[in-house]
Amino acid sequence: AQRVTQPEKLLSVFKGAPVELKCNYSYSGSPELFWYVQYSRQRLQLLLRHISRESIKGFTADLNKGETSFHLKKPFAQEEDSAMYYCARSTSGTYKYIFGTGTRLKVLA
Amino acid sequence: GAGVSQSPSNKVTEKGKDVELRCDPISGHTALYWYRQSLGQGLEFLIYFQGNSAPDKSGLPSDRFSAERTGGSVSTLTIQRTQQEDSAVYLCASSHRVPGANVLTFGAGSRLTVL
Repeated sequence: AQRVTQPEKLLSVFKGAPVELKCNYSYSGSPELFWYVQYSRQRLQLLLRHISRESIKGFTADLNKGETSFHLKKPFAQEEDSAMYYCARSTSGTYKYIFGTGTRLKVLA
Repeated sequence: GAGVSQSPSNKVTEKGKDVELRCDPISGHTALYWYRQSLGQGLEFLIYFQGNSAPDKSGLPSDRFSAERTGGSVSTLTIQRTQQEDSAVYLCASSHRVPGANVLTFGAGSRLTVL
């Protein structure tokens, strides 16, 4: 079965500090990995996807197939980064889409 | 439409009543998903539709939950004989699958409170 694990429910960091939100996934098929973000009183939205290898709002995530991880990183956290972050996976060839339990990031002034 | 629309945005009901939640996806999106969001549980997958068919209903919590999609568009999630543990935000999402980049667009959700 597909699984996505986010071990931290809450992560608090000070403004300007580096941040890493962890995500591990179960290995099966050809996974497609994503990070979604939900800011306060806003809809859940895509932050970034592994296939694009892009940096969005200073965030990056590298797919590590050996460790089955897709950790989200940012070198210098900002207060506006405070939000709920969800890691998700889909599998090529299917439409099934599974999310982790989410990590709430709080960036302190 | 311009985005995914869900109705009602808020629903308060009494235990034992039936409720229907509606999702209107982005026009042309072939895949439609239902999730349940509750504190401490994250985003719980319920069901997804590919066109009008539901290949995977494994996430539905019990036989009190059912969903349908008609015309490859609007979907309805029905909860019969609601229980207090059904209280949550029910999220709908749709996607127009692009190979290698299946991105979901979410609605604002329907908040269900069962008294």
